[in-house]
Amino acid sequence: EADIYQTPRYLVIGTGKKITLECSQTMGHDKMYWYQQDPGMELHLIHYSYGVNSTEKGDLSSESTVSRIRTEHFPLTLESARPSHTSQYLCASSVTEETQYFGPGTRLLVL
Amino acid sequence: GENVEQHPSTLSVQEGDSAVIKCTYSDSASNYFPWYKQELGKGPQLIIDIRSNVGEKKDQRIAVTLNKTAKHFSLHITETQPEDSAVYFCAAHGAGSYQLTFGKGTKLSVIP
Repeated sequence: EADIYQTPRYLVIGTGKKITLECSQTMGHDKMYWYQQDPGMELHLIHYSYGVNSTEKGDLSSESTVSRIRTEHFPLTLESARPSHTSQYLCASSVTEETQYFGPGTRLLVL
Repeated sequence: GENVEQHPSTLSVQEGDSAVIKCTYSDSASNYFPWYKQELGKGPQLIIDIRSNVGEKKDQRIAVTLNKTAKHFSLHITETQPEDSAVYFCAAHGAGSYQLTFGKGTKLSVIP
């Protein structure tokens, strides 16, 4: 069982608000990822990090930003939420790029 | 880049029957193929994986087969149970790639 946590699990927020989705892992993994997923649909990589102070954008363009100041922590921020940001956001971590361990996800609804 | 196709998108089986989900990949350099199970309201969970130097791998009721020549791999679930109902994702990782490429998922329903 992987120890990776995401908070909040559910978030309903109004348009224009700034939000931060938290992700933390206790496994000491260097690599961390953020995926966007419409429920039950395919996963799209939006950000990844190889380690502290390393962040890159994934294949799916996203208006969100990420930071990696500590190994265990990889928060995702939306400066101004819009209805088009409504989705599920999944965080994952891994030792290599291969076997990734996922958190439970944050389901975001922007009104 | 890598492209992964997954079929079928939905699958219904009677409890006790077998279920097979198939994936094809495009990059012949891909060398690692995991399968994830995602239950409602949860994140994907790794259930089995296979590397390109192996043709088949089993773990109790679950098996994965890989055909490198044809560039396809399959998930086999035997003696299905209602708790097997979930969305299953295949993925491929190419040598030197920074990411896993996922299939679009298969929704498996096991009918009691």
